[in-house]
Amino acid sequence: GALVYQYPRRTICKSGTSMRMECQAVGFQATSVAWYRQSPQKTFELIALSTVNSAIKYEQNFTQEKFPISHPNLSFSSMTVLNAYLEDRGLYLCGAREGLNTGQLYFGEGSKLTVL
Amino acid sequence: GDSVTQTEGQVALSEEDFLTIHCNYSASGYPALFWYVQYPGEGPQFLFRASRDKEKGSSRGFEATYDKGTTSFHLRKASVQESDSAVYYCALGDPGGNYKPTFGKGTSLVVHP
Repeated sequence: GALVYQYPRRTICKSGTSMRMECQAVGFQATSVAWYRQSPQKTFELIALSTVNSAIKYEQNFTQEKFPISHPNLSFSSMTVLNAYLEDRGLYLCGAREGLNTGQLYFGEGSKLTVL
Repeated sequence: GDSVTQTEGQVALSEEDFLTIHCNYSASGYPALFWYVQYPGEGPQFLFRASRDKEKGSSRGFEATYDKGTTSFHLRKASVQESDSAVYYCALGDPGGNYKPTFGKGTSLVVHP
């Protein structure tokens, strides 16, 4: 079956430092990867959508300078939160899409970021 | 832009009650519609999808019918169990067009024994 692994599961970092998180698709080819941030209230914010061989599309309020993403192949993606501050806290979820004709995403368990 | 509205923020039921979670969408194209479920401490899990008008998606006793006329995709289950307690998300995405997966705010379901 389709599985997505994210690591680290949780990170505590000091204000102003950076955190890199990784997303690995197992058992399928992830043609697109969507990175979300989930708030404590459980709402989803789409950060960016990365499709192999296409430019990464960032949503309003999220920039490549702050959240650089790498998606080098069909099984791996990474995102870094640069200069993390309190407002960057949350659960970062990676959702991977199999193929281009389906729309559902397979999610990892998330990387929880706590900023002190 | 596209959006998904879930009416209920929280739903509390007893075991064997009937469940309805309302989902309405707004989209410029003809999106596919999805339901996801998220258990505590886990990532969201894909539940099922529907891609065209009047199509019914179902899984694990849950079902929803794509209704283009009312722009709805309401989640229903005839008899809930305590193990169904989770957060449910309605979502849309147009795989054939400008693909941008959009989620509703989620509905927290608590089922009491």
